[in-house]
Amino acid sequence: ELKVEQNPLFLSMQEGKNYTIYCNYSTTSDRLYWYRQDPGKSLESLFVLLSNGAVKQEGRLMASLDTKARLSTLHITAAVHDLSATYFCAVPGGSTLGRLYFGRGTQLTVWP
Amino acid sequence: DTEVTQTPKHLVMGMTNKKSLKCEQHMGHRAMYWYKQKAKKPPELMFVYSYEKLSINESVPSRFSPECPNSSLLNLHLHALQPEDSALYLCASSPWTSGASNEQFFGPGTRLTVL
Repeated sequence: ELKVEQNPLFLSMQEGKNYTIYCNYSTTSDRLYWYRQDPGKSLESLFVLLSNGAVKQEGRLMASLDTKARLSTLHITAAVHDLSATYFCAVPGGSTLGRLYFGRGTQLTVWP
Repeated sequence: DTEVTQTPKHLVMGMTNKKSLKCEQHMGHRAMYWYKQKAKKPPELMFVYSYEKLSINESVPSRFSPECPNSSLLNLHLHALQPEDSALYLCASSPWTSGASNEQFFGPGTRLTVL
């Protein structure tokens, strides 16, 4: 079974600082998704990474994918309070079309 | 229309009740999903329908019964639930075609409380 590990699971950072969230997965996949979830809300799609070396940026967030290392990163630049949320990475599962394997999520809190 | 809708937003039910959750999408997606999410955990896959046929059932208890009347609608029928079934129930849809990203788009969820 495909395993997805995210770290850190909890991240408390000051506004204006930079940090990176890591997502490792255990078997080959050529794509990866990042989602954001606010408390009590649903999952919002942030990034779809479809190939090795893919890099996408939206505002203060930048995501990348290295399929050879089975690693994706979500980099936060100059954090602001509005980025406080839980971030999940998800990897499509092997031979089972439609199945997504989620990381445990990174709960990010940005404080002034 | 680029969204997945779910009704109701909140549901409180007793253990002897029968209720249904509804999900709808008009993006032409051919796959629809039910997930259960407990607080501070990732979503857990329950069921997947592709082309209106059940393709994945994650050994979900029979008190949860999915139904896909057509390619735009997905229901989850609930009967004799337990308090531990209280959770956020998320519906999602995706294109299900080769070459597409097959990104899953999530609805706003139904917050279910079982008393």
